[in-house]
Parts: sequence; C-alpha cells; structure tokens
Amino acid sequence: EVQLVESGGGLVQPGGSLRLSCAASGLTVSSNSMGWVRQIPGKGLEWVSIIYVSGSTYLADSVKGRFTISRHNSKNTLFLQMNSLRLEDTGLFYCARQSPSYHYAVDVWGQGTTVTVSS
Amino acid sequence: QSALTQPPSASGSPGQSVTISCTGTSSDVGSYNYVSWYQQRPGKAPKLMIYEVTKRPSGVPDRFSGSKSGNTASLTVSGLQAEDEAVYYCSSYAGSNSLGVFGGGTKLTVL
Repeated sequence: EVQLVESGGGLVQPGGSLRLSCAASGLTVSSNSMGWVRQIPGKGLEWVSIIYVSGSTYLADSVKGRFTISRHNSKNTLFLQMNSLRLEDTGLFYCARQSPSYHYAVDVWGQGTTVTVSS
Repeated sequence: QSALTQPPSASGSPGQSVTISCTGTSSDVGSYNYVSWYQQRPGKAPKLMIYEVTKRPSGVPDRFSGSKSGNTASLTVSGLQAEDEAVYYCSSYAGSNSLGVFGGGTKLTVL
C-alpha cells in the first residue's frame, strides 16, 4: 500500500523554525515528483514547494528565501525546512505525490501535519 | 499565481445533477488540458476525482465527469448521493516554471 506519513508540525513563535518530514512507503521518493501543499483552516489549498525527479525544486513566492525542500533517498523521506516563520504560514501541511501517470495531478496525499505560528 | 475561481457553494437533491465551475486564465486552464478535481471530506485529505480535464482514476464512479471550455473547467456530479457531500477543489497546471494553482473550493451540499 502506498502511504505518506508527515511529522514535525507544531506550535512555534514568529521567526522560529520547523522541519517537516514525510516518510514514504510503497513508493520511492527519489523516483517521484513530491511536494508540500498547505491548507489554511477553512480555506483552500496552495502548493508550497515541489521537488522533481531531476532534483529541481520550486517554491511559492511567499516562502522563497525561507523554506527549503529536500529529500533523503536512503530514508525514503521528504523534508520541508521552514525558517523565519510568519503568522500567515499557519496551516495544515500535506505531503503529496504528483502522479507519474496522471499529468500534474496529485494521486497520493498524506494525512497532514499542522503548523501553528503564534506568539 | 492567482487562485482559480470557484463558487463557494453548490447544492442539489439526491438523484439530481450539479455542475461546479472553475475559472482560470489563458495562462493556466485556458492553455493546458491538465485540470484536476479533488474531493475533500471533513477531516480527510483530498482525493483525486478527475485528471487531465475529463479522465477518472480507477475506482471513481462514472457519475463524476469533467469538461472544459476556454478558461473555465467544470465538474459535473450526476445522480447525486448523500456521500457526495464534500468540498471540491479544482487545480490546473500553469507552466513549467510554476507550481500550479488551486481553486478556493466549492462546498457541495446534498439536500
């Protein structure tokens, strides 16, 4: 069974840092385009970052210079390092696989990890 | 990249059909046949319902269908059932130097 399990969320003060992890099973992180999608409570979804099979990465303009996406191949894990956190970064962060079969659609989602930035 | 525009709510009675619209621009929906739709029930992760505008992943009922005209994509749910009550999000590819864009979501209520 394909599964993504996120961890690392929590409560942090503005300016602080968090590192989200996404442990994958049933798929190989380095062989897939993987990313993070944020959901603001009661609102919509937003791509935060993605890393392609090639290693190329993209970040939303709102997090450029503050967030970094990476992967650890031997641990089959995806990461999101979040620095200089702001109040507006609060949300539920989903780990997601961009489908290798369905162009640019997300076919595997984790259960999400909550990040709360508050003083 | 601006979000795609969806109506905040839609509703229908069991057995009826409902169509949800998703309006983008010539930079996303209008330029690519890579629109996808997701169903999200309370407390759950989104689930892929439609990809590449009209295609259904295995296991998705054929009551769900997608289409596109110009900059607007649509999701139609036919033969509404109580279990279809959820929030539906559209998403579109927006070019090689973009992350892609989501809509704001439409809450579908089965009356």
